[in-house]
Amino acid sequence: EPEVTQTPSHQVTQMGQEVILRCVPISNHLYFYWYRQILGQKVEFLVSFYNNEISEKSEIFDDQFSVERPDGSNFTLKIRSTKLEDSAMYFCASSDWGGEDTEAFFGQGTRLTVV
Amino acid sequence: RKEVEQDPGPFNVPEGATVAFNCTYSNSASQSFFWYRQDCRKEPKLLMSVYSSGNEDGRFTAQLNRASQYISLLIRDSKLSDSATYLCVVSRGTGRRALTFGSGTRLQVQP
Repeated sequence: EPEVTQTPSHQVTQMGQEVILRCVPISNHLYFYWYRQILGQKVEFLVSFYNNEISEKSEIFDDQFSVERPDGSNFTLKIRSTKLEDSAMYFCASSDWGGEDTEAFFGQGTRLTVV
Repeated sequence: RKEVEQDPGPFNVPEGATVAFNCTYSNSASQSFFWYRQDCRKEPKLLMSVYSSGNEDGRFTAQLNRASQYISLLIRDSKLSDSATYLCVVSRGTGRRALTFGSGTRLQVQP
């Protein structure tokens, strides 16, 4: 069964450092997303990406964040200068071309710990 | 008011029980509605979409009341494997695919 894969599964970084979280969405999917979940809290939307551009972003997704699809398969989230409060599980998701109720498939997540 | 509000639980039920979860949402522009399931420290997985006409998938039944902005999930004949957190999820608005998640309701099915 096709799946969204994320690397690494766990990343520890020092405050102020840049991190890049990587995702390989399902190959024929067209819509890509990043969500995050701070420990013990709800899943929060960060950004959606379609046709090589950001289609929507939340208030969390400020200038410290950026996304890129550098080739035909990878989808990355960069945090320029990490803060302690960026510590969270980051989930990548992708969905097919169908309507709004098309299922979004989530990757297993990258646990980011900022120390 | 929270965008998507759920009773956090936990709901502790015996195997075979029927359990119901409710959820309310504040964004009247939301067009798509879902229940996701999340196991501890894992990714959310779609359980089922929710439609105004109500829909059923095996032991699971979901209902949507747009007028009241209310969504429900009924689980019949609970299994141990149903133990998880159930997330009420709505789209962020008309034509928008991004999702707004509730905080989840934890279910623990006991033998």
